[in-house]
Amino acid sequence: DAGITQSPRHKVTETGTPVTLRCHQTENHRYMYWYRQDPGHGLRLIHYSYGVKDTDKGEVSDGYSVSRSKTEDFLLTLESATSSQTSVYFCAISEGAGGAKNIQYFGAGTRLSVL
Amino acid sequence: AQKITQTQPGMFVQEKEAVTLDCTYDTSDPSYGLFWYKQPSSGEMIFLIYQGSYDQQNATEGRYSLNFQKARKSANLVISASQLGDSAMYFCAMREENTGNQFYFGTGTSLTVIP
Repeated sequence: DAGITQSPRHKVTETGTPVTLRCHQTENHRYMYWYRQDPGHGLRLIHYSYGVKDTDKGEVSDGYSVSRSKTEDFLLTLESATSSQTSVYFCAISEGAGGAKNIQYFGAGTRLSVL
Repeated sequence: AQKITQTQPGMFVQEKEAVTLDCTYDTSDPSYGLFWYKQPSSGEMIFLIYQGSYDQQNATEGRYSLNFQKARKSANLVISASQLGDSAMYFCAMREENTGNQFYFGTGTSLTVIP
C-alpha cells in the first residue's frame, strides 16, 4: 500500500471556524491532490501540487487554500468553514511525468462535518 | 460537457458471472490516460487498471480488463468471474496529458454481486 496518511480521519466543526486537513506521504511522489467526494458528484478536484510550493486550482477551489512546504506534506485549509463544505476529503499522490506514472493512490479519507 | 460519463448508477451480477461497467469520455487531447478505481463500503479508493491512449492492446489486471474503443471514446471495465467482494462503487477517470494535471472522475457505478 502507498504510504499516505490523512489526519484527522473525522472532524466535526462549526460554521465560520478555520479547519486544516493534513496529508502526509512517504513515497516521495511529486504530485499531491485534494479531492472532495459528495453523493452524485463522484470525486472533484479541489487543489493539487506539482512540487514544493507549486500548487494550482482544481474545479472546486473556492473557499479552500493549500500549502506544500515539504515534499511529504500537503495541507488543505478551509479558512471559514461552511455547511456546504461538509464532505469526505481524499488526498491522492502520483509520481507524475506521464503514462502509468500518473496513477493516483489515495489516502483513507477525512470525513468533515460542518454544523 | 462532462469529461467522464458513467451511465449505470447501479448494476447487479450473479456470482461467478462476468459484468461490464460502462465509461465514455470526452477529450480532444490525443494523449490521455484512463483509470478505474474501486470504492468498497469501507470507503477507500483502490486503483484497479490503467490504459494509455496510445496503448495498442487492452489492459488486463487479473480478473479486470479494460475494453478500450478509442473511436467510440469508451473505456469499459470488464470483471470476470464476479466475487462477493467485488460489490462496491466503481469510478472511471481520465487524465489529459497535454492540457493540465487534472483528473476527471465519473459519478460512479454501484455494483452488487448476488450469491
